Amino acid sequence: RKEVEQDPGPFNVPEGATVAFNCTYSNSASQSFFWYRQDCRKEPKLLMSVYSSGNEDGRFTAQLNRASQYISLLIRDSKLSDSATYLCVVNVAGGFKTIFGAGTRLFVKA
Amino acid sequence: EAGVTQSPTHLIKTRGQQATLRCSPISGHTSVYWYQQALGLGLQFLLWYDEGEERNRGNFPPRFSGRQFPNYSSELNVNALELEDSALYLCASSLHRVMSYEQYFGPGTRLTVT
Repeated sequence: RKEVEQDPGPFNVPEGATVAFNCTYSNSASQSFFWYRQDCRKEPKLLMSVYSSGNEDGRFTAQLNRASQYISLLIRDSKLSDSATYLCVVNVAGGFKTIFGAGTRLFVKA
Repeated sequence: EAGVTQSPTHLIKTRGQQATLRCSPISGHTSVYWYQQALGLGLQFLLWYDEGEERNRGNFPPRFSGRQFPNYSSELNVNALELEDSALYLCASSLHRVMSYEQYFGPGTRLTVT
């Protein structure tokens, strides 16, 4: 079983749609969580950190459920420019490991 | 403020040669991470340096090695190159060894082994 699992997609949605991604992690010692986006052949860019209380940044909302060991990302009012691969990232305490999920591809179409 | 920089942008080597990749972190960042991303695959953690020391390494053979210099820049060395080493090598830096800090990535070095 992978330490961080994401639905690879692709998710094909029209502009204006709401789309949600989930990510599960297996290590209960996981300490901090992030969402990154990666455009084709580019480096990952930090989208947002994920806090236990949940956090929102404009059209993006991230949630963490420690009991069920998953994090989620909600994108509202999708734009064409949101098309990218979204990476779930987990930092594990103790072992000092950063683990990237394989990513979920999103295509937003006009 | 300058971001993470990496050099070279592209590197072409033949099997059996050695490759050296370089990374300069964001000013003030002491931690540097190296990742390998093969075409169409996810990021695989290679190495983590902080304050000049190797703190952790991923599941890669010993021919992948590196170091961090006193100015916190870092070098990744890959010896005895194999065809499957062809990938995008990404460097990231973070403010401190505390794991809750976000990592910021450089544009990567694309290594091609022929």
